[in-house]
Amino acid sequence: EEQILQSGGGLEQPGGSLRLSCAASGFTFSDHGMSWVRQAPGKGLEWVSHITRSARSVFYVDSVKGRFSISRDSSKNTLYLQMNSLRAEDTATYYCVKEDLGDLSLWGQGTLVTVSS
Amino acid sequence: DIVMTQTPLSSPVTLGQPASISCRSSQSLVHSDGNTYLSWLQQRPGQPPRLLIYKISNRFSGVPDRFSASGAGTDFTLKISRVEAEDVGVYYCMQASQVPYTFGQGTKLEIK
Repeated sequence: EEQILQSGGGLEQPGGSLRLSCAASGFTFSDHGMSWVRQAPGKGLEWVSHITRSARSVFYVDSVKGRFSISRDSSKNTLYLQMNSLRAEDTATYYCVKEDLGDLSLWGQGTLVTVSS
Repeated sequence: DIVMTQTPLSSPVTLGQPASISCRSSQSLVHSDGNTYLSWLQQRPGQPPRLLIYKISNRFSGVPDRFSASGAGTDFTLKISRVEAEDVGVYYCMQASQVPYTFGQGTKLEIK
């Protein structure tokens, strides 16, 4: 069974850092691009970042460029999102998502990030 | 960035009756590879989103055939032929033809 298990997140002060992880199982991780999507409390979905299956290319929404960094370790079947210089507006549930050529086909359970002093 | 606009934002429906959601993009979603990366996602209360429809009209694995979708270019539609109680939630259209991927605002489907 295909699964994505997320970890990390929690409460952090403005300006702080957090790292999110998600471990993939049940599918060949290195065959798939991966994305992070977030959802602020009571709001809609916002795509945050994408990494190609080879990790050769990465993409970010403008609001996180220069602050967030996506990476992957295919030896561990794990995706990461390093979040630096956190702001209150980064408060959201973050979802790790498996892609099938642009289709967000498998979503993790989500992890809540709260940025507050 | 491509703006995705959904209508309606709220849709009260009687059980067993049809429902329809529209999604319009601010520019064509036809990718240079010829595909149109328009998908529909469902988010039930308290759950992560799940993929319903990909590439305009293809039902994802396990999605009931009461869900159908169509469209082309900039105008797309999701239809539910007969709404069931488990269909309650928020529905999003999403484009992945161009980075950044963008979502519609979401349409809340509720039972009358």
